[in-house]
Amino acid sequence: NAGVTQTPKFQVLKTGQSMTLQCAQDMNHEYMSWYRQDPGMGLRLIHYSVGAGITDQGEVPNGYNVSRSTTEDFPLRLLSAAPSQTSVYFCASSRTGSQPQHFGDGTRLSIL
Amino acid sequence: TQLLEQSPQFLSIQEGENLTVYCNSSSVFSSLQWYRQEPGEGPVLLVTVVTGGEVKKLKRLTFQFGDARKDSSLHITAAQTGDTGLYLCAGARNTDKLIFGTGTRLQVFP
Repeated sequence: NAGVTQTPKFQVLKTGQSMTLQCAQDMNHEYMSWYRQDPGMGLRLIHYSVGAGITDQGEVPNGYNVSRSTTEDFPLRLLSAAPSQTSVYFCASSRTGSQPQHFGDGTRLSIL
Repeated sequence: TQLLEQSPQFLSIQEGENLTVYCNSSSVFSSLQWYRQEPGEGPVLLVTVVTGGEVKKLKRLTFQFGDARKDSSLHITAAQTGDTGLYLCAGARNTDKLIFGTGTRLQVFP
């Protein structure tokens, strides 16, 4: 029972580089989301999707892009990495946005 | 704008002690969820409370939703080292998003 799978688990980037964080779920959930977690800030929503082909911005969307071509996958793209994007990133899925979220184990990203 | 404030931010206690974590907001929520997160892992749901004044128990953990559905508390009786972790509350407001609290980091020493 995989649930929500995030890759990679760790990544170090240089300022200006781009990369894609992968997220896949096998629970046929319509709703998927990306959060970043910083000390003392809880979880802040970056982008979310209520179904394939539909995405929307969350609280802190700047510098990130998403797409949802299938129900299973919801990749997060950093266009031009900045040190302020150093964080732990969590992907989550659920039946709807207000239902309990199933989280992946996170991607720890450092931007030098 | 942080709509859900948790207190305390940090809590360090010895095994056997009791503790209460608070989750407060000026907004009304249709439901409120509590999660626990351990190092290197994502948050895991503990409970959902839906009705104002509702009390739910999960072994030594007691969760309460405020009568006005603006606040919630988590009480742990006789804490154990296995309770160590980050506790997060999250509120739903009939939208497609959850609002997460700032978190309470609990350390229980033997």
